[in-house]
Amino acid sequence: GQQLNQSPQSMFIQEGEDVSMNCTSSSIFNTWLWYKQEPGEGPVLLIALYKAGELTSNGRLTAQFGITRKDSFLNISASIPSDVGIYFCAGQLPSGTYKYIFGTGTRLKVLA
Amino acid sequence: DARVTQTPRHKVTEMGQEVTMRCQPILGHNTVFWYRQTMMQGLELLAYFRNRAPLDDSGMPKDRFSAEMPDATLATLKIQPSEPRDSAVYFCASGPLDLQGEKLFFGSGTQLSVL
Repeated sequence: GQQLNQSPQSMFIQEGEDVSMNCTSSSIFNTWLWYKQEPGEGPVLLIALYKAGELTSNGRLTAQFGITRKDSFLNISASIPSDVGIYFCAGQLPSGTYKYIFGTGTRLKVLA
Repeated sequence: DARVTQTPRHKVTEMGQEVTMRCQPILGHNTVFWYRQTMMQGLELLAYFRNRAPLDDSGMPKDRFSAEMPDATLATLKIQPSEPRDSAVYFCASGPLDLQGEKLFFGSGTQLSVL
């Protein structure tokens, strides 16, 4: 079945540093969503991407829909302690299925 | 802020018992998803509804799991009989189906422990 490879699995960074993470697949996706999950809570939607090449920002977060439609990237600039959590990508399979495949997550820890 | 509401937040039960998890999607959303999250498997899609009709439940063990939407404000996921391997966090998500595609908004989950 389709899989999303998300990397890195975990990151320990200093407050103020920039963070980059990505998701890649052998499959083509129509939509990419990026989520953040904190302990004991459900994933919270951060950014949605709908077109190949699209670059979208939400505050200090910027995400891009890869040109090949097989990958997506999330960057966090000037990290702060509250950025701690697990970040998930989710790719929507081509139209007609409406299934989202989730990546395995990037666990981010920010050291003050 | 509009939210997806899930109950109960936590459930501890014994093997063989029936478990019912409930979800109230965001008002106006016409798609509902059930996901299961475990450390080993991550987020797995169990079932998907659009306009209350089940479109996909291929990810759900049919012999013991069932998902329904009795009305637009309630989705249920039942496990009967429950087994220890069902222990996981179960999430409901809802979304508006618009021209751009679907966005999923998750509830806080039901943490299920089957002893």
